[in-house]
Amino acid sequence: GENVEQHPSTLSVQEGDSAVIKCTYSDSASNYFPWYKQELGKGPQLIIDIRSNVGEKKDQRIAVTLNKTAKHFSLHITETQPEDSAVYFCAARRQGGSEKLVFGKGTKLTVNP
Amino acid sequence: DTAVSQTPKYLVTQMGNDKSIKCEQNLGHDTMYWYKQDSKKFLKIMFSYNNKELIINETVPNRFSPKSPDKAHLNLHINSLELGDSAVYFCASSPRSGAGELFFGEGSRLTVL
Repeated sequence: GENVEQHPSTLSVQEGDSAVIKCTYSDSASNYFPWYKQELGKGPQLIIDIRSNVGEKKDQRIAVTLNKTAKHFSLHITETQPEDSAVYFCAARRQGGSEKLVFGKGTKLTVNP
Repeated sequence: DTAVSQTPKYLVTQMGNDKSIKCEQNLGHDTMYWYKQDSKKFLKIMFSYNNKELIINETVPNRFSPKSPDKAHLNLHINSLELGDSAVYFCASSPRSGAGELFFGEGSRLTVL
């Protein structure tokens, strides 16, 4: 089955700096790669996703890149703000009705003002 | 209006007891899920239902029994609670099985004493 590795487990940056979180996946048939943000006491919420036919996607200060050959994808957050502090999860999934979304173990991002 | 709502938010109980967590979604989605998040924040799928039909059943002890009376509701009943069942349980829904964004509830924190 799919296995998703996520690094680092914790990341601390100064406000205004960039943050990068990296994930690798094992199943070459996976074709959907979302990123979720979980704030304290809340459920995870989708912030950006990418499909395997695209190499990069950007939405304001966040971007995701995908390297299918190397089976890794990354989340980039620029101009970080204190409200970006949260736990971020990457995930991967094959296409198909019974296919499950497999999550990485999460990265706790702290943005220091 | 909360899209995915689950009750109770907190549940403290003794070992050996039986408890239930309820989940409702008002998004008109076909698919609902239960995820377990342990103390290390690891998110692991437990079950998935599509239009009231069980489609994903991970290696979960049979003390855990999901029930979906209709596609807007997915409840989780746990028998003979054990210390290791302490976790945050998240309900989620998606438009259809194996595709689309997952919308999570705010979680139910279960503590078994």
